[in-house]
Amino acid sequence: DGGITQSPKYLFRKEGQNVTLSCEQNLNHDAMYWYRQDPGQGLRLIYYSQIVNDFQKGDIAEGYSVSREKKESFPLTVTSAQKNPTAFYLCASSIGGGQLRGTDTQYFGPGTRLTVL
Amino acid sequence: AQTVTQSQPEMSVQEAETVTLSCTYDTSESDYYLFWYKQPPSRQMILVIRQEAYKQQNATENRFSVNFQKAAKSFSLKISDSQLGDAAMYFCAYRSDQRTSYDKVIFGPGTSLSVIP
Repeated sequence: DGGITQSPKYLFRKEGQNVTLSCEQNLNHDAMYWYRQDPGQGLRLIYYSQIVNDFQKGDIAEGYSVSREKKESFPLTVTSAQKNPTAFYLCASSIGGGQLRGTDTQYFGPGTRLTVL
Repeated sequence: AQTVTQSQPEMSVQEAETVTLSCTYDTSESDYYLFWYKQPPSRQMILVIRQEAYKQQNATENRFSVNFQKAAKSFSLKISDSQLGDAAMYFCAYRSDQRTSYDKVIFGPGTSLSVIP
């Protein structure tokens, strides 16, 4: 089955630690995204990548880092510089590849709930 | 910059009845896409329906349909024959179709829908 997987489902972090959230897709999508969701709010874009070895900052990139070494993987690291990291993190992907018109819809993984202790 | 507004933080509907969720957006662009996503208690984001701005015909997907009013910048979602499984957060979203920009999706704050048995 094609889809997007995120792991772990729940993650606990002590203050001052870096943690990495995994996102993998087997949809052969070029574009991948990381969003943050806080209670009662919509989604805010952290980082996005339109192609392997390239990524761009979204609206709230401070305190986060990403890499895109493989097409199917887009891990997100929450660093100790992120002042309020407790949130729900969603990864998404889309066909991308410059196909801005057409069926380029974002599909989401199941999410990771990060809690700072 | 584009914005998406959902003026109803919470709504409820009786099982088997019809409910309409409101969404308005602000943009100066003429070509764009609009989406409704559903987020059930599992927190998985699920695409419900998509509308291309250049199409005058309203999109429909089984019990879900939209009322797209381009001039009014309104994009409401109608759920017919509501079922208990429809209980979820519903997010309205906008994506530009400008070829010079990446496919950033802007999400509204969401509407929490409860279905009463």
